[in-house]
Amino acid sequence: GENVEQHPSTLSVQEGDSAVIKCTYSDSASNYFPWYKQELGKRPQLIIDIRSNVGEKKDQRIAVTLNKTAKHFSLHITETQPEDSAVYFCAATLNRDDKIIFGKGTRLHILP
Amino acid sequence: EPEVTQTPSHQVTQMGQEVILRCVPISNHLYFYWYRQILGQKVEFLVSFYNNEISEKSEIFDDQFSVERPDGSNFTLKIRSTKLEDSAMYFCASVTGLAYEQYFGPGTRLTVT
Repeated sequence: GENVEQHPSTLSVQEGDSAVIKCTYSDSASNYFPWYKQELGKRPQLIIDIRSNVGEKKDQRIAVTLNKTAKHFSLHITETQPEDSAVYFCAATLNRDDKIIFGKGTRLHILP
Repeated sequence: EPEVTQTPSHQVTQMGQEVILRCVPISNHLYFYWYRQILGQKVEFLVSFYNNEISEKSEIFDDQFSVERPDGSNFTLKIRSTKLEDSAMYFCASVTGLAYEQYFGPGTRLTVT
């Protein structure tokens, strides 16, 4: 079955700097890659997603890139702010009605 | 904006007891899911449900677990005889089937003592 690996597990970044989180997936048939932000005790919140027919997508300070050949995808957060501190999960799924497979998460700390 | 709702927000139960976690998916959604997240760990898939039957289940979803859609709105997860290791946050999610985004409920924190 699908497996999603995520690195790093913890990331500390100075406020204003950029943060990058990387993921790999195992099933080449996966075609949808969402990213979630989760604050303590809350539900995962979708922040950006990308389909397999797109190489890059940007939404304000957040961007995601996808390399289908290498089965890599990454989240980039620019101009980080204190409210960006949270746990971020990458994920992958095959179809619209399929289960989501999550990575293990990255705890992002934004340092003042 | 419509939301997935879950009750209760926190359930404390003794080992061996049965618990039922309740979810109300978004009304026009057709596919429903339960996920589990042990504290500090990743979100794990438990089961998916479509057209009043289970479409897929994970290894975690053993005979102690069951799901039901007893009426047109509720979607429940039952754990027959809870174990200490069932302590986790349980999230319900739903999706239309026409779009990819799954909508997550706020979760039920289950504590087994």
